[in-house]
Amino acid sequence: AQSVTQPDIHITVSEGASLELRCNYSYGATPYLFWYVQSPGQGLQLLLKYFSGDTLVQGIKGFEAEFKRSQSSFNLRKPSVHWSDAAEYFCAVAPYGGATNKLIFGTGTLLAVQP
Amino acid sequence: NAGVTQTPKFQVLKTGQSMTLQCAQDMNHEYMSWYRQDPGMGLRLIHYSVGAGITDQGEVPNGYNVSRSTTEDFPLRLLSAAPSQTSVYFCASSTRDRNYEQYFGPGTRLTVT
Repeated sequence: AQSVTQPDIHITVSEGASLELRCNYSYGATPYLFWYVQSPGQGLQLLLKYFSGDTLVQGIKGFEAEFKRSQSSFNLRKPSVHWSDAAEYFCAVAPYGGATNKLIFGTGTLLAVQP
Repeated sequence: NAGVTQTPKFQVLKTGQSMTLQCAQDMNHEYMSWYRQDPGMGLRLIHYSVGAGITDQGEVPNGYNVSRSTTEDFPLRLLSAAPSQTSVYFCASSTRDRNYEQYFGPGTRLTVT
């Protein structure tokens, strides 16, 4: 069965520091991969997605993610964190070829930003 | 466009009561889904639909019913509420024309006492 692992439940970084959030997936083929962000009390917003092609994808708000097939990973990065980035981040996968209305989510990483 | 709308925003039910969570989208998306979000568990798929008249079960369907009589609406029914259904519920829609990107509603926070 497909699964998504986000090993870090909670991360704290200083404003201006770099950030990397980890995501590993378990699936036989290359799935569609997504990162979502959820601010407190809000719905989910798509940061970026990977379907195929260039393994480094750029998203909104200065985020990027790199797909590494050999490691089954899709880690999210940002070179310089802003206080407004404090939120919960979810990695998600969907089967290759469609069914993206059936996302499988990781358990989330809560990001705190220190001044 | 209003996007994906959900009502109500908050609801408190007693055990055994039934209710319907409403979800509507005005983007003419063919796909719609319901997820529940629980602390430490991420979002889990309850039911989904690939078009009007077509629904299917997700990962955690027990205790919930759905129907899709129109493209716009995808209500989620709780048949007999249980405390284990206390959660935040999100509706989402997507379309092949936008590379299946899912658009999420603002959520409904449900408490069952």
